[in-house]
Amino acid sequence: EAGVTQFPSHSVIEKGQTVTLRCDPISGHDNLYWYRRVMGKEIKFLLHFVKESKQDESGMPNNRFLAERTGGTYSTLKVQPAELEDSGVYFCASSQVIKETQYFGPGTRLLVL
Amino acid sequence: AQSVTQLDSHVSVSEGTPVLLRCNYSSSYSPSLFWYVQHPNKGLQLLLKYTSAATLVKGINGFEAEFKKSETSFHLTKPSAHMSDAAEYFCVVSRNTGFQKLVFGTGTRLLVSP
Repeated sequence: EAGVTQFPSHSVIEKGQTVTLRCDPISGHDNLYWYRRVMGKEIKFLLHFVKESKQDESGMPNNRFLAERTGGTYSTLKVQPAELEDSGVYFCASSQVIKETQYFGPGTRLLVL
Repeated sequence: AQSVTQLDSHVSVSEGTPVLLRCNYSSSYSPSLFWYVQHPNKGLQLLLKYTSAATLVKGINGFEAEFKKSETSFHLTKPSAHMSDAAEYFCVVSRNTGFQKLVFGTGTRLLVSP
C-alpha cells in the first residue's frame, strides 16, 4: 500500500511568487491534515479536512494560504504571495478515521528568497 | 490547551548503550501521547502511542515509553542504541477524544556513535 506522497519534495521561489504544494493521502483515508515546521520551531498544525470539507483551519497563518481538497482525494496548499517567513517544511498526514494514527508524508521543503 | 516540552534538543549516545529522550506534557484534557521519529529525507513515522490503556507502551524497534500522570511525563527509552536509531524524535500530545489535532514538541536529535 502506498503511503502519503507529497509533491514537490523541494521548492525554491522568490518573495512575491506563488507556490502550490500537493498531497496525496493513503487511498481511502477521509481525514487529511497539513502541518508546517518553520526553521528552528516546532511542527504546527495548519488545517484538517474530512473528505472535501474543512473541519478545522484554526492553524492557517493568514489569508495568503489557501487549501483545497476537491473531490475528497488529493489536497493542494497554495501560498500567494509567498513571504520569507513562509520558508519551512510542509507536512501532510492522513488517517482513515479521526481517532486513528496519522500517517505522514516526507514533507515539502519550501525556501522563499 | 495542550503543550509538550522536550527537555533536550540533542542527545548523544554510544552504540549499545541505553537511550533516554525526555518529554513533559501539559493538557487540559485527558491526553493521547505519541512519539514520532523522522529519519533524514523521510516522513514522520509513529514509534508508539498511549491512549489511556496500559501506562507502559511498547513500540517498534525496541522503543518503549511510560506514561506518568503524577509527573506529567512520557519519556522514551531503549535499552541498547543502534546506529540506525540516529534520527530526530518528536513527542506529541493530542486530545483523547474527538478531533486529534497533534501538538508537537520541538524535537530531540539523537546522535549514535560507534
